[in-house]
Amino acid sequence: DADVTQTPRNRITKTGKRIMLECSQTKGHDRMYWYRQDPGLGLRLIYYSFDVKDINKGEISDGYSVSRQAQAKFSLSLESAIPNQTALYFCATSDLSGYQSDTQYFGPGTRLTVL
Amino acid sequence: SQQGEEDPQALSIQEGENATMNCSYKTSINNLQWYRQNSGRGLVHLILIRSNEREKHSGRLRVTLDTSKKSSSLLITASRAADTASYFCATDKNDYKLSFGAGTTVTVRA
Repeated sequence: DADVTQTPRNRITKTGKRIMLECSQTKGHDRMYWYRQDPGLGLRLIYYSFDVKDINKGEISDGYSVSRQAQAKFSLSLESAIPNQTALYFCATSDLSGYQSDTQYFGPGTRLTVL
Repeated sequence: SQQGEEDPQALSIQEGENATMNCSYKTSINNLQWYRQNSGRGLVHLILIRSNEREKHSGRLRVTLDTSKKSSSLLITASRAADTASYFCATDKNDYKLSFGAGTTVTVRA
């Protein structure tokens, strides 16, 4: 079984709808991240969490919210989806390793289309 | 804003040839990492090089880091069709998270 799973894998929704993307991990890592990927722009960080009580905004958090329900689960919500949120969304995890960022392990991604 | 910038944006080579791509960054870093992404899939970690290291090898991969020039290179030797992918550099600026570049798309022709 995959260490980092994301559901759903594909989602088409309409403008104004609320949707939730879910991420689960079995790696036992404390740190979890949500990124979005747009063509030609690489990955941009939306939110990150270093433990259940620690949630931080990334560079593009507007229009998104997150919930860290447990060490293993980190959900991303779009409260009112808009077309420019159409993108590929990735969840990632990493281990706690002091002050440096360690290797990140990525889920397979969720392809979201907002019509 | 993106910390790392990969060059070139795209690269097409013949199977068996070497592929080299570069990454430049703007501020001092703790470490620099390279990731591979096959079409539409999640990123896979390839190699991590710390700021006090100059070169690392992993199988057919060789990474160099020049902190004075704020640049890194990734060399893939004896390329194979399976190496066709996008390659991203990511920098750790001592702020507990990674900044990714836009990537280099490598196509290996049979």
